[in-house]
Amino acid sequence: DAKTTQPTSMDCAEGRAANLPCNHSTISGNEYVYWYRQIHSQGPQYIIHGLKNNETNEMASLIITEDRKSSTLILPHATLRDTAVYYCIVRVLSGGGADGLTFGKGTHLIIQP
Amino acid sequence: DTAVSQTPKYLVTQMGNDKSIKCEQNLGHDTMYWYKQDSKKFLKIMFSYNNKELIINETVPNRFSPKSPDKAHLNLHINSLELGDSAVYFCASSSPGNSGANVLTFGAGSRLTVL
Repeated sequence: DAKTTQPTSMDCAEGRAANLPCNHSTISGNEYVYWYRQIHSQGPQYIIHGLKNNETNEMASLIITEDRKSSTLILPHATLRDTAVYYCIVRVLSGGGADGLTFGKGTHLIIQP
Repeated sequence: DTAVSQTPKYLVTQMGNDKSIKCEQNLGHDTMYWYKQDSKKFLKIMFSYNNKELIINETVPNRFSPKSPDKAHLNLHINSLELGDSAVYFCASSSPGNSGANVLTFGAGSRLTVL
């Protein structure tokens, strides 16, 4: 799997958009970009994933550059409850069984009141 | 209506003991996993089960053994516990489909402390 690079930590003011970058310069054509987050003392939570088109759901938006070497997770109106560690993971789309996901160190996003 | 439930949430035990952590999912998923998160907060996959078949074993010690009585359950048995086994263990499940098998639903975790 392609390796990802994320900033160790970021701050964002409550109510503002939080933009979390991820570099994955060695991504291959069949690898998707997945985002998860882990709020303190909870299990990881799936947020969004995409291949090459931008994606949006009720939680966030995912912007993937045209060359697919980097992406940005956007939380449009951050709240204090969005304080968490955010993981960017690159993985092939498994067809039948699953090989699981490998989590890196992630970005600790702190939402400031 | 918890999707992935683990018990117990907390477990404190002595070195050398044998313990189990149970996991159940009511999502109808085909694959279940166990992850370990150590004190440095790294999440590492330990096992996954698909249709009662082990498809990953990430070089964990053979003191750890997953047991799946049915598709909805994947229990983790640990023999001869060691201090280094202290961690939070997360169960997860997923199902192939349009989203693929990489959309995992995690449980709340079981914190194991070995004294």
